[in-house]
Amino acid sequence: EAGVVQSPRYKIIEKKQPVAFWCNPISGHNTLYWYLQNLGQGPELLIRYENEEAVDDSQLPKDRFSAERLKGVDSTLKIQPAELGDSAVYLCASSRGGGSSYNEQFFGPGTRLTVL
Amino acid sequence: LAKTTQPISMDSYEGQEVNITCSHNNIATNDYITWYQQFPSQGPRFIIQGYKTKVTNEVASLFIPADRKSSTLSLPRVSLSDTAVYYCLVAAKGSARQLTFGSGTQLTVLP
Repeated sequence: EAGVVQSPRYKIIEKKQPVAFWCNPISGHNTLYWYLQNLGQGPELLIRYENEEAVDDSQLPKDRFSAERLKGVDSTLKIQPAELGDSAVYLCASSRGGGSSYNEQFFGPGTRLTVL
Repeated sequence: LAKTTQPISMDSYEGQEVNITCSHNNIATNDYITWYQQFPSQGPRFIIQGYKTKVTNEVASLFIPADRKSSTLSLPRVSLSDTAVYYCLVAAKGSARQLTFGSGTQLTVLP
């Protein structure tokens, strides 16, 4: 099966510019995650979707970050305006979701953002 | 939310068995223990998951003592390609809890 697809793989922008990342999860996976990963650190959850509903977005800086998953399939994460400290790798993951057990996450390759 | 503690780094030689221990003193009753592997410029990859005692798959074994306050990932006969960051993750059943990775353990396998 095809894995999680993310685009772009790399993005360089100047501060105060907007930027958007796109993720297409594995077919049939209801749960979608966006993570931020700084150099030398583990991924930090930004938001989690169950189908089209954001069920966990407490770590998303809502003043500049937004996300959507309108049809419960692919998702977009946006930053507007970007700041220097937003330079990081943005990872998308998906899992089957639902039920009473914690499900294995499948990660995409990530988008490396550099803010100048 | 269960906090995990792992060694920052470990070195090993090819062909040796490697054991990476993760401490999670305040693990909750419904928490599962999961280990991920991450190579540079890639997203993490699931290795193994367990709740108690021992779990084994084709890649690794996971040992969890009765009190579940720690767990040990065991990689048999490592090769150079096992050089990666390994994350211990503790998360509850269902979808109500955040998923916290921590800083992970950098394993370097030497020839």
